[in-house]
Amino acid sequence: QVHLVESGGGVVLPGGSLRLSCAASEFTFSDYGMHWVRQAPGKGLEWVALIPYDGSNTYYTDSVKGRFTISRDNSKNTLYLQMNSLRAEDTAVYYCAKDGNPFASGSKSYYFDYWGQGTLVTVSS
Amino acid sequence: DIVMTQSPDSLAVSLGERATINCKSSQSVLYNSNSKNYLSWYQQKPGQPPKLLIYWASARESGVPDRFSGSGSGTDFTLTISSLQAEDVAVYYCQQYYSTPLTFGGGTRVEIK
Repeated sequence: QVHLVESGGGVVLPGGSLRLSCAASEFTFSDYGMHWVRQAPGKGLEWVALIPYDGSNTYYTDSVKGRFTISRDNSKNTLYLQMNSLRAEDTAVYYCAKDGNPFASGSKSYYFDYWGQGTLVTVSS
Repeated sequence: DIVMTQSPDSLAVSLGERATINCKSSQSVLYNSNSKNYLSWYQQKPGQPPKLLIYWASARESGVPDRFSGSGSGTDFTLTISSLQAEDVAVYYCQQYYSTPLTFGGGTRVEIK
């Protein structure tokens, strides 16, 4: 069974930085695009970023462009999200999610067939 | 950006009755080259991550009970729970994957009447 485990969340001051990780197992990580999706407390779901299976490019929602960086290490089966210049509005549970089809190129992506349990990021002074 | 609008925001349905959730996209999510609608549905229970129910607008994910069905094409879609069970109490989201930024509807909360 596919397993995704996020870590790295916590409390950070506005303007601070945090690096999230997502450890993947039980599937061929290097074949699939991966995403970060967040959910502010009591709110809906917001897609944050996508990295294709080969890491050839990255895609972001406008509100995090220039501040967040998604990356992956296929040798370690791990996805990352480097978050800089954090704001109060970035407070959310951050989920990593697996793309539903392999070898999707560029910005092409599909539904999210597996999700991690999430890690909470709180930006507060 | 493609805006996804769900209705209603919440609904209360008696056990065994039908629940219908609507989702409308601001532009078509039907990809003409393969005639597929790039639309999925998720169920989220309190304290849990979302769970994939439906993809390609009407394909049921493995293990999802057949009381869940998806329909629609282009810009208008529906998730139907044919006979509501107690374990179906949750928030349901539609999502388009036609283009980035990927976007979700605002969610529909389903409760027992």
